[in-house]
Amino acid sequence: EPEVTQTPSHQVTQMGQEVILRCVPISNHLYFYWYRQILGQKVEFLVSFYNNEISEKSEIFDDQFSVERPDGSNFTLKIRSTKLEDSAMYFCASKASSETQYFGPGTRLLVL
Amino acid sequence: GIQVEQSPPDLILQEGANSTLRCNFSDSVNNLQWFHQNPWGQLINLFYIPSGTKQNGRLSATTVATERYSLLYISSSQTTDSGVYFCAVGQGWGKFQFGAGTQVVVTP
Repeated sequence: EPEVTQTPSHQVTQMGQEVILRCVPISNHLYFYWYRQILGQKVEFLVSFYNNEISEKSEIFDDQFSVERPDGSNFTLKIRSTKLEDSAMYFCASKASSETQYFGPGTRLLVL
Repeated sequence: GIQVEQSPPDLILQEGANSTLRCNFSDSVNNLQWFHQNPWGQLINLFYIPSGTKQNGRLSATTVATERYSLLYISSSQTTDSGVYFCAVGQGWGKFQFGAGTQVVVTP
């Protein structure tokens, strides 16, 4: 069964550094998402992406965040200047239509 | 936005017991999924169930969309069923709104 992949699985960075989280969605999917989960809390929506542009973003997704689909396969989330409170698990998801959203295994980000 | 409430927040079961987890949502939805978050933090998709009933082994789920709730049944629970169960709802191809989850602990 096809699956969403994410790299790296873990990343440790210093406060103020830029990080790029990478995702490879399922190949025929059209809708892409990023979510995050702070330890012990629920999963929160960050941004959705369709037709090479952001379709919706949450208030968490401020100017420090950006997303890109640089080629036909990758979908990236960039955090320009990380803060301690950005420490979380970041999930990428994709879907083909109005059905199942498929989630990747997540990237655990720790900001020191 | 859509409000999602899950109950109970915590559940302790003895191995072999049955249980029911509930998800209430505040608006009409046409996407609903149940997930199990394993100890490594991965979200394992259990069911895509915007309406009706589905079964997969010892797990089954029912969504009554007109009454805005969904139920997840775990039968003959095993220790591997431990973890957090999340309900997520959405409309069309839009974002998911997650509930706060139910933490399940199955003891031997």
